[in-house]
Amino acid sequence: GENVEQHPSTLSVQEGDSAVIKCTYSDSASNYFPWYKQELGKGPQLIIDIRSNVGEKKDQRIAVTLNKTAKHFSLHITETQPEDSAVYFCAAPHAGGTSYGKLTFGQGTILTVHP
Amino acid sequence: GEEVAQTPKHLVRGEGQKAKLYCAPIKGHSYVFWYQQVLKNEFKFLISFQNENVFDETGMPKERFSAKCLPNSPCSLEIQATKLEDSAVYFCASSPSANEQFFGPGTRLTVL
Repeated sequence: GENVEQHPSTLSVQEGDSAVIKCTYSDSASNYFPWYKQELGKGPQLIIDIRSNVGEKKDQRIAVTLNKTAKHFSLHITETQPEDSAVYFCAAPHAGGTSYGKLTFGQGTILTVHP
Repeated sequence: GEEVAQTPKHLVRGEGQKAKLYCAPIKGHSYVFWYQQVLKNEFKFLISFQNENVFDETGMPKERFSAKCLPNSPCSLEIQATKLEDSAVYFCASSPSANEQFFGPGTRLTVL
């Protein structure tokens, strides 16, 4: 099955700095990689995703990069703001069979942005 | 609807009691997934549906957990005879394709 490792577990930055969170995965057949933001008391919110046919995707201040050879993908947040403070999760779905779509999540990164 | 709806928001049960959770997926989405989030943010997959058919139930403790997604009704997750270790937040997510999954706000179950 899929195994997803996420680092760091906590990340503290000053407002305006960049933040980078990294994940590795084990199943080379995985072809879709979402990132979720979870605020306290809320459900995970899909913030960006990438498919295996591209190496990078950007959406305003957030970007995701994918290295299929090394089996790792990263979330980059630029010009961080206090409202970016949350827990961020990477995930990878099972690629086939009856477990298709079942997400395996990373361990989560608690991001704190200090004003 | 445009968002996944889950009810109730909170549920408190005594050990051994039944608990039933509901999920209304986004209209037009044919996949529904249930996950359990326990302490330290760990997510555990429970079950998935494609329309009203069970797609993958490998995460379900079948002796006490059951789930359904019937046409024109919210999906449901039922726990018979709850145990203390069932205390968690239960999320459902819906998806048009089994890739992009959109999560609901969750139901917090507390078993006393």
